[in-house]
Amino acid sequence: DAMVIQNPRYQVTQFGKPVTLSCSQTLNHNVMYWYQQKSSQAPKLLFHYYDKDFNNEADTPDNFQSRRPNTSFCFLDIRSPGLGDAAMYLCATSGTGNPPYNEQFFGPGTRLTVL
Amino acid sequence: SQELEQSPQSLIVQEGKNLTINCTSSKTLYGLYWYKQKYGEGLIFLMMLQKGGEEKSHEKITAKLDEKKQQSSLHITASQPSHAGTYLCGADSTSGTYKYIFGTGTRLKVLA
Repeated sequence: DAMVIQNPRYQVTQFGKPVTLSCSQTLNHNVMYWYQQKSSQAPKLLFHYYDKDFNNEADTPDNFQSRRPNTSFCFLDIRSPGLGDAAMYLCATSGTGNPPYNEQFFGPGTRLTVL
Repeated sequence: SQELEQSPQSLIVQEGKNLTINCTSSKTLYGLYWYKQKYGEGLIFLMMLQKGGEEKSHEKITAKLDEKKQQSSLHITASQPSHAGTYLCGADSTSGTYKYIFGTGTRLKVLA
């Protein structure tokens, strides 16, 4: 089945130690998104890629970076994780039609713990 | 900036009861999505509404978008334990972009 895969499902890192989360998709979608979701809060868009075009949200901290080496893969790099970065990180994809009428397909998420 | 407010924040119902969740936008909606999220998992797409007055159904779940396109409701008929989870509404914050926003969710518990 076509899907969005995130690895790892659970990640534990130390304060200040760089960490990379990965997302892959078999849907061949042009658009990939990274969201941060803290407990009992709405998912918050960090950035998205339209093909290779990177679109950063204005309030996304510089500590968060992303790479998309090809259509299938997208990475979220947290350069110096702080305690406040502990959250669920969700990757999603969507096709390109006429936005905003595009359903997003979500991965299962990576839960990040910062010690 | 646009915001989506959901009510209620949480809901506990007896199995078999009907329930309604509301999503209100501070601006006109150009597309409204409903998702379901189980604890610790990703979001599962339920339905998408585009036109004012539109109504869609899937199994026992019905969603409507009002004529003014600023409010949507999700109605579950004869709830079952499998309906338990958090329901989130989502929308494109600016028409023509991919900048999606979500409501804070409604946590539903169904008692057997």
